[in-house]
Amino acid sequence: AQSVAQPEDQVNVAEGNPLTVKCTYSVSGNPYLFWYVQYPNRGLQFLLKYITGDNLVKGSYGFEAEFNKSQTSFHLKKPSALVSDSALYFCAVRDSWSSASKIIFGSGTRLSIRP
Amino acid sequence: NAGVTQTPKFQVLKTGQSMTLQCAQDMNHNSMYWYRQDPGMGLRLIYYSASEGTTDKGEVPNGYNVSRLNKREFSLRLESAAPSQTSVYFCASSEALAGGWNSPLHFGNGTRLTVT
Repeated sequence: AQSVAQPEDQVNVAEGNPLTVKCTYSVSGNPYLFWYVQYPNRGLQFLLKYITGDNLVKGSYGFEAEFNKSQTSFHLKKPSALVSDSALYFCAVRDSWSSASKIIFGSGTRLSIRP
Repeated sequence: NAGVTQTPKFQVLKTGQSMTLQCAQDMNHNSMYWYRQDPGMGLRLIYYSASEGTTDKGEVPNGYNVSRLNKREFSLRLESAAPSQTSVYFCASSEALAGGWNSPLHFGNGTRLTVT
């Protein structure tokens, strides 16, 4: 069965500093990995997805994610944080082996950017 | 484009009452999903439908039923609501079968349900 973990409930970063939001996963087959963002009282918006063969993928709003197969991780990164990046971030995984339509989310990480 | 539309936006139920949450998408997607969001728990998958005519249990299906009425619509029913079902419910859709397994989910704006 697939699973995904976000080990940090909250990440605090000063504006202008780099940020990392961590995600690790477990799947039986090839992983299909995604990051989503949720702003207050809103639905979830797609940020980026893993592309097979690309260890660094770029997404919306200047975010990127680093895929590491040996560590089964897909960490979200941004070189320079903005206050407007403050939101709830979710990592999600789809397993190509078992029940490929099933998509599981992590528990979420609240990102807080201070001015 | 409306995308994914959920109704109602808010609902208050008494314990034991029943209700159906409606979801419709206009993107011709094959797969549809129901999640619930609770503080500290992230999003948990209740049920999903890989394609019209099929439904499967997710992580937390107990107390819920679903109907994939047609390709556009996927409803979630609470037969006898309990306070533990107080949550925000999100419907989502994806074109995974046609667009590949890395096709993202498109979410509705959610239904905030309170069971007293």
